[in-house]
Amino acid sequence: GDSVTQMEGPVTLSEEAFLTINCTYTATGYPSLFWYVQYPGEGLQLLLKATKADDKGSNKGFEATYRKETTSFHLEKGSVQVSDSAVYFCALKGAGGTSYGKLTFGQGTILTVHP
Amino acid sequence: EAGVVQSPRYKIIEKKQPVAFWCNPISGHNTLYWYLQNLGQGPELLIRYENEEAVDDSQLPKDRFSAERLKGVDSTLKIQPAELGDSAVYLCASSLGGHSTGELFFGEGSRLTVL
Repeated sequence: GDSVTQMEGPVTLSEEAFLTINCTYTATGYPSLFWYVQYPGEGLQLLLKATKADDKGSNKGFEATYRKETTSFHLEKGSVQVSDSAVYFCALKGAGGTSYGKLTFGQGTILTVHP
Repeated sequence: EAGVVQSPRYKIIEKKQPVAFWCNPISGHNTLYWYLQNLGQGPELLIRYENEEAVDDSQLPKDRFSAERLKGVDSTLKIQPAELGDSAVYLCASSLGGHSTGELFFGEGSRLTVL
């Protein structure tokens, strides 16, 4: 079945540092890829998405590019802020077979940004 | 526009007791999901509905878990009897159809503690 693997955390950075959170996936067909974020005490919310190969999703200074050749969707931000401290989840939505329409998550990466 | 509403937010019960969670999706969203999130892990799908029909319940432990969505709107997830290992956050999400590119909108979750 489909699966998502994220880099192990937690990740601790100083403000204005560069962020990369790695994400790779295994899926049949051409899934859509998502990054969700969960701020302390809040529910999961969509950060960005990409629905086909070479698409770049972006939001709030975060970016991720759908790389089919490496089956990856790494999350990046050039300069993190304390307010970016949260748990980040990479996810894919299946495009075929029994996985169609099903959202599968990675295990999450905790990001802590210090002033 | 109201988001996905879940209740209760917190529930503490003793093992072997029953418990039920309620979800009201975003108006017009015909696809509804229940996810289980254990501490430090990503959400895992329990069941997905397209309108009233459960189209994917392969991960639902049917010996003790049940769900319903009688009129294709609200949904209830029940556990009877609860076990210690059921302590987790139960997330409800909805989307505009189960197609492969649409995002899911999540509620804040119901945190269950089984003593």
